Amino acid sequence: ETGVTQTPRHLVMGMTNKKSLKCEQHLGHNAMYWYKQSAKKPLELMFVYNFKEQTENNSVPSRFSPECPNSSHLFLHLHTLQPEDSALYLCASSLTTGEAFFGQGTRLTVV
Amino acid sequence: AQKVTQAQTEISVVEKEDVTLDCVYETRDTTYYLFWYKQPPSGELVFLIRRNSFDEQNEISGRYSWNFQKSTSSFNFTITASQVVDSAVYFCALRPYNNNDMRFGAGTRLTVKP
Repeated sequence: ETGVTQTPRHLVMGMTNKKSLKCEQHLGHNAMYWYKQSAKKPLELMFVYNFKEQTENNSVPSRFSPECPNSSHLFLHLHTLQPEDSALYLCASSLTTGEAFFGQGTRLTVV
Repeated sequence: AQKVTQAQTEISVVEKEDVTLDCVYETRDTTYYLFWYKQPPSGELVFLIRRNSFDEQNEISGRYSWNFQKSTSSFNFTITASQVVDSAVYFCALRPYNNNDMRFGAGTRLTVKP
């Protein structure tokens, strides 16, 4: 059983929809991350939260909106996405100086 | 700026062969971490190893071994006597010591044939 859980595992949404991805960790980590993995690109770091504070935002379009209510939960709110946003979205968590542990990802398809 | 390069896009070997996956990195930081992850078809990235920049001692774990060469900015990964279950995409990653900005290479897809 993974220590990082992502829901849903699969999501199909229209370009006008609003949906949210959820990530939960029970590892006692203080940092949480969102990564995007597209078919022909390396893993892209999107957002990082450390002790609930956002510390990294790598020029991600505003149609992606993260939320970190506490150190155990991380959300990615999606609205008016484009087909090119279809990808595997991976959540991870870590201690400040440790390795990151990943969830199984949400496979997102925008139609 | 940080950058991780995995020049080998795909590698195919026959079971029991040894295989080395290359990783070269660039960073201006003097202290940093290097990582290797395995991504099987299920999609989840599985952590394999973390190496601190100030520790150049090579490591062996079963059939896996890692060769860290700071002089050449390389952190290569060798699988000895490969098995079909080793088939996956392997990622090398780099992170500065004092922040959470972890950057990944493009990955190497390893196929081990029976």
